Amino acid sequence: DAGVIQSPRHEVTEMGQEVTLRCKPISGHNSLFWYRQTMMRGLELLIYFNNNVPIDDSGMPEDRFSAKMPNASFSTLKIQPSEPRDSAVYFCASSPVGFYGYTFGSGTRLTVV
Amino acid sequence: AQSVAQPEDQVNVAEGNPLTVKCTYSVSGNPYLFWYVQYPNRGLQFLLKYITGDNLVKGSYGFEAEFNKSQTSFHLKKPSALVSDSALYFCAVRDPASYSGGGADGLTFGKGTHLIIQP
Repeated sequence: DAGVIQSPRHEVTEMGQEVTLRCKPISGHNSLFWYRQTMMRGLELLIYFNNNVPIDDSGMPEDRFSAKMPNASFSTLKIQPSEPRDSAVYFCASSPVGFYGYTFGSGTRLTVV
Repeated sequence: AQSVAQPEDQVNVAEGNPLTVKCTYSVSGNPYLFWYVQYPNRGLQFLLKYITGDNLVKGSYGFEAEFNKSQTSFHLKKPSALVSDSALYFCAVRDPASYSGGGADGLTFGKGTHLIIQP
């Protein structure tokens, strides 16, 4: 298995633009998580899905953020409009049933200028 | 609400010496505890976990961690440090009492500890 695949690896965009981050979880994993990592706040859970259904989105910072999981092999995190304070590394992780630890993707480094 | 604390931003250890990275947690029930490692420009990698059973848990790359319920701690240890162990280490906790069913739920991570192994 190729692991959790995130794209793009790096994204530089101008303030106000729409940004879409993509994630392909490991096949057979039924839980998917979006985290954001910054120096100031560390790792923050934004949202997670079980069996493609959003379970908890209380970590999504604002209405500008939205996430979808249309099927078991694909998820997106969208920011519209983007702001400089959204600059961070965004990680996607997946996990099978049970608590055996997540597998993280390599992350998307987002810079909003 | 569950939380985890890593009291040290940075730990410096000489190569060959034992290392300890500290972690304490707070949950309402019995915790599930994890350690992850992050190398520069990489995602987090799973090291080890404690769910139940033996308080001493062994993981990848020679690391181990000891669950101490009375002290609510889960410190990461290694008997002999390598320069290649230098990385950012995260402790994470999950309170199974908050389990919503149907799959794994979100972990709460500490802020991370930079481990620097000096040659």
